[in-house]
Parts: sequence; C-alpha cells; structure tokens
Amino acid sequence: ILNVEQSPQSLHVQEGDSTNFTCSFPSSNFYALHWYRWETAKSPEALFVMTLNGDEKKKGRISATLNTKEGYSYLYIKGSQPEDSATYLCAFPKAGTALIFGKGTTLSVSS
Amino acid sequence: DAGVIQSPRHEVTEMGQEVTLRCKPISGHDYLFWYRQTMMRGLELLIYFNNNVPIDDSGMPEDRFSAKMPNASFSTLKIQPSEPRDSAVYFCASSLWDTPGNYGYTFGSGTRLTVV
Repeated sequence: ILNVEQSPQSLHVQEGDSTNFTCSFPSSNFYALHWYRWETAKSPEALFVMTLNGDEKKKGRISATLNTKEGYSYLYIKGSQPEDSATYLCAFPKAGTALIFGKGTTLSVSS
Repeated sequence: DAGVIQSPRHEVTEMGQEVTLRCKPISGHDYLFWYRQTMMRGLELLIYFNNNVPIDDSGMPEDRFSAKMPNASFSTLKIQPSEPRDSAVYFCASSLWDTPGNYGYTFGSGTRLTVV
C-alpha cells in the first residue's frame, strides 16, 4: 500500500510569518514528488514537480526541498500573506504514473 | 487551450438514478485521471487511462461505477444506480507523462454531485 503522509493537518499563522509543512512518502522505487496548491472552490494547481534527491525548487516566496533517501519533502512559505491561504497537497506516483495524494495541509493566514 | 473541461459543475439527483459526469482533457495529453474528493478520504484515484485505454481501475469503489474514454478528447464517469454515499466532488485531470515524471497534472473544475 502506497502512503503519502502530510503534517500538520492544518496551520494558522499571522501575516508575515514563515512556515513549513512536511510530506512523507515511500523511499523505495522513487519516481517523482509533486506539490499542488488548492484554493477553496477551485481545483488543485501544480506548484512543483521534483525528481532528484537534494532538489530544491522555488516560486516566489514558496520553496520546496526533497530527500528521496529518507522519503520526505518540505514546503516552505516565507513571509506568509492572506492569499497564501489554501490546502497544500503532495503526491507520489503509483507505479510511476498515477498520483496518489496526501490529505494535505490547510494553511490559514490572518492579516 | 481552455484547460480540462468538466460538466456539469453541479448535479443533484435522487437515489437510484443514473448519473453521468463528463470530461474533455487538454489536447495532446495522453493520460486522463478521475479522482473523487471527500472529507474523509481526501483525493482518491478512481481510474486512469493512457491513450484512451483504461490502465488501472482498482480505485473504482463498486460495480455501480464505470468509466469510458471513447476517444482522445472525451471521457465519462457513470454511476448507476447512484446512492447518497456517492455524494462528493469528482475531478478529472489530464497530463503528459515521462519517466521519471516531469509533468504536473491539470485538473478540471470538478463536478459536485449530491445524491438525495
């Protein structure tokens, strides 16, 4: 059984705080690790696709790191803004193709 | 490209009725996925297709669920007969794929199904 675990389940921060979340995945037969951002009443949007151990990706104030040997990835948000409020999903390909999603970390940023 | 297009956006139906959800993937994407989103289980993979061929339907919950992809630009997910526990948001997504998997998925807007 393929399990993708995310923590924490939810997080409340103040505007300007920096924060990070964790995604754990099976370290064997690694293909790729995806991060998605899912705003309320919208559909998930791809943030990063990471494929190499030690990979680090960045998009604006959001960045992610990958450790395939120990099976985890971190997503960081620097200086959180209210518009960062969303659920952040990580996903791992089952048999190298179909993504299995974690249940996500829901971030709420108060102004 | 208009993205992945799903219809209808909302569907309310009575228990026992047949429901058909529709999806048009992005042109040129050779993979199509159906997911169901519920509070309890999050985003669950139901079935996926590669070049219109079903590859893995192990996530389809029961025989009441079926999916088809008659051509590269259209897929349906059918529930017959529908039950209240089928109420959820159903997402379609499409993608290119390579090894090791450099492409993200593009999701449709989802169909919110309510079975009363």
